[in-house]
Amino acid sequence: GAGVSQSPSNKVTEKGKDVELRCDPISGHTALYWYRQRLGQGLEFLIYFQGNSAPDKSGLPSDRFSAERTGESVSTLTIQRTQQEDSAVYLCASSSPEDAFGIMGTDTQYFGPGTRLTVL
Amino acid sequence: AQTVTQSQPEMSVQEAETVTLSCTYDTSESDYYLFWYKQPPSRQMILVIRQEAYKQQNATENRFSVNFQKAAKSFSLKISDSQLGDAAMYFCASDAGGTSYGKLTFGQGTILTVHP
Repeated sequence: GAGVSQSPSNKVTEKGKDVELRCDPISGHTALYWYRQRLGQGLEFLIYFQGNSAPDKSGLPSDRFSAERTGESVSTLTIQRTQQEDSAVYLCASSSPEDAFGIMGTDTQYFGPGTRLTVL
Repeated sequence: AQTVTQSQPEMSVQEAETVTLSCTYDTSESDYYLFWYKQPPSRQMILVIRQEAYKQQNATENRFSVNFQKAAKSFSLKISDSQLGDAAMYFCASDAGGTSYGKLTFGQGTILTVHP
């Protein structure tokens, strides 16, 4: 498809379990971002991948959170030993300096539909 | 650190009327980008409009326009001829560039209700 996709759409897990969330960016987009959105709140930056550069992990809230990206394609966000406070919607976005939608020099981030994580 | 503040948790407007959503921000960078995103109940974040700080002209996108006051660090969104489909949560966001490049900072959001 043309947009950012994420899976699963919803995930319910038990406290202490590990979860993996997946993001497929727009084809050709070199940058990929993960955000967390707690209920009724704005988005919090988690991590940023740009091409083959080392990721910017400055937003990860604890060492239980990690993310990987293979080249300029799929990314997975892993949360180990989940806690109830991890319950949130996790949103992925991608962008490119040369936008496939015809906007040059934009770096506009295009978002996926998110994964709603519920930790019981 | 960047901050983005939306002081209106909720706003309402009658269909076909005009509404303005407020946003203020703080950044030490001289060049940055500002955005308004719309988030309907489907959770999909949809870009409404963007503004480059170096451009003095206010961005316009059909019924959506901004009032960008750089000195006051204010970036309000005006929706003209409001439609039922405009009902959503609206987020103001900034990308301050520099060492913060790519990291959007979001406000808390404003819930917009459109009355028929």
